[in-house]
Amino acid sequence: AQSVSQHNHHVILSEAASLELGCNYSYGGTVNLFWYVQYPGQHLQLLLKYFSGDPLVKGIKGFEAEFIKSKFSFNLRKPSVQWSDTAEYFCAVTYFGNEKLTFGTGTRLTIIP
Amino acid sequence: DAGVIQSPRHEVTEMGQEVTLRCKPISGHDYLFWYRQTMMRGLELLIYFNNNVPIDDSGMPEDRFSAKMPNASFSTLKIQPSEPRDSAVYFCASKNPGQRNTEAFFGQGTRLTVV
Repeated sequence: AQSVSQHNHHVILSEAASLELGCNYSYGGTVNLFWYVQYPGQHLQLLLKYFSGDPLVKGIKGFEAEFIKSKFSFNLRKPSVQWSDTAEYFCAVTYFGNEKLTFGTGTRLTIIP
Repeated sequence: DAGVIQSPRHEVTEMGQEVTLRCKPISGHDYLFWYRQTMMRGLELLIYFNNNVPIDDSGMPEDRFSAKMPNASFSTLKIQPSEPRDSAVYFCASKNPGQRNTEAFFGQGTRLTVV
């Protein structure tokens, strides 16, 4: 069965610190990978996505993620976080030929000014 | 396009009552997903439709939950009878796989409180 693991449940950083959030998916063949962000009280918005090609994907607001197939990982990074990045971050996966979108449990990010 | 539209935004109901949540997907999107979000279980996929037909309802927790999609522009998620443990935020999302390398778009959610 499809599954996504996000090992960091709550991350607290100071402004300007670098960020890396882990995401691993279960093996199942060709995958499409996504990171969504949910600001407090709001709906999910797409940060970035990977379908094929360059494994280093750049998204909005300075975020990027790297697809490492050998590690079944798609970690999210940002070199310098801002207070406004405080939110919950979700990694999600679909497998080729299947539109079922499975989410990880999410990582709550708190940025201290 | 106005995006995925859900109603109501907030619903408070008493245990045992029937609750109906509504969703209007983005026009032209032929996949529709219903998710439930709670602190304990995160985001759970309840059911999804393709061209108005339910494809996978394995996430529907109990027979008290049912979902329909009578046409391409409307879906409902019904809970009858409701219980306090159904309290959660319910999200609807839609997608157009015919559009290359696209993602699912989410509505604002319905916050359901069952007292």
